[in-house]
Amino acid sequence: LAKTTQPISMDSYEGQEVNITCSHNNIATNDYITWYQQFPSQGPRFIIQGYKTKVTNEVASLFIPADRKSSTLSLPRVSLSDTAVYYCLVGEMVGRKLIFGQGTELSVKP
Amino acid sequence: SQTIHQWPATLVQPVGSPLSLECTVEGTSNPNLYWYRQAAGRGLQLLFYSVGIGQISSEVPQNLSASRPQDRQFILSSKKLLLSDSGFYLCAWRSGQNGIYGYTFGSGTRLTVV
Repeated sequence: LAKTTQPISMDSYEGQEVNITCSHNNIATNDYITWYQQFPSQGPRFIIQGYKTKVTNEVASLFIPADRKSSTLSLPRVSLSDTAVYYCLVGEMVGRKLIFGQGTELSVKP
Repeated sequence: SQTIHQWPATLVQPVGSPLSLECTVEGTSNPNLYWYRQAAGRGLQLLFYSVGIGQISSEVPQNLSASRPQDRQFILSSKKLLLSDSGFYLCAWRSGQNGIYGYTFGSGTRLTVV
């Protein structure tokens, strides 16, 4: 399973765009990149998933360069409610297990 | 619709007492099921996963065990709790729709061993 590296924490202000980058140098050909969001005392929630290039949904965008050794989660115009821990995971789509790293604690200030 | 239920929400247990946490999934069949533990607010640790009835894979040898007596039921147990077993326990199942596969988590159980 590919290991991921993310910043431990990030600070932002309301209305700003936030970009969280994840490094996964050992990503395998069959691996997908998935991001989760977790609020205190809740289970992680799926945000977005991608394999290459760019993926966008109603919540976020995911940018993946051609070498796929990193990925960037982009949150447009964050609000206070986006304060959470964000996890980057790399693994096969139909793999039996996913290993969570330490995640990035995003703090959005007014 | 597909849902996951986990209970209880909170639990305070004395050291040495037994533990049983239950997780059930609705709206799907033969799901991959998982137990994670989160201590000190960060870092989810995979404890067990199951790909079918009676099939349990242990990721971290410790004071816990898991069982899957029915297709959509996953149970986490301990015969004698330790202080170090305190944490936030999460059940999850691997869900897939429209070519996207992710994990859906239950609401979690906050276990405090005293």
